[in-house]
Amino acid sequence: ETGVTQSPTHLIKTRGQQVTLRCSSQSGHNTVSWYQQALGQGPQFIFQYYREEENGRGNFPPRFSGLQFPNYSSELNVNALELDDSALYLCASSFGRGLAGNTIYFGEGSWLTVV
Amino acid sequence: RKEVEQDPGPFNVPEGATVAFNCTYSNSASQSFFWYRQDCRKEPKLLMSVYSSGNEDGRFTAQLNRASQYISLLIRDSKLSDSATYLCVVNGWDSNYQLIWGAGTKLIIKP
Repeated sequence: ETGVTQSPTHLIKTRGQQVTLRCSSQSGHNTVSWYQQALGQGPQFIFQYYREEENGRGNFPPRFSGLQFPNYSSELNVNALELDDSALYLCASSFGRGLAGNTIYFGEGSWLTVV
Repeated sequence: RKEVEQDPGPFNVPEGATVAFNCTYSNSASQSFFWYRQDCRKEPKLLMSVYSSGNEDGRFTAQLNRASQYISLLIRDSKLSDSATYLCVVNGWDSNYQLIWGAGTKLIIKP
């Protein structure tokens, strides 16, 4: 209903593997932010992409990387998966650099379990 | 100290009652404040923004106290459908592109 779609919705990976999560932003939005939400916690900001460039990054190691494509869809890549990477990964789209908390739209998230 | 702190709850409240949540934030330079609602295993959804003068949306009232650095959410005449986790969100103080989230307060409305 937000127009933001994420895939896959659920996946299980083994420690040490790599994963790619995908996000299609709402039509007309040129900014995508990624968040990690562990069980019982609030979302933690990973990074944001604005017009195909990284526009800010939270406190996550370099094995978390991303891309934004010309159509403003985005990928989140995580290398060398660790058990603590198990979480809900949320993509949020918005328009313009900068972010107001009342103009972002979340996808339904990708549930990642690392075993 | 966490940047945004909330009582995790759960708050168990009978239907029809009034319930209030507080949230404190650590940086006085914070500019924007929001309450989000998150249902179990779903994405967060904006409930309401919080304005300096306080604001109301139906049964929901939000207040901001900049001097004490807390925001509050009041729910009147609670409904079973209000059962959810309520997340306090603050715009990052060192940039305007990062949202800082509390861990959420779980609310359970009992019939």
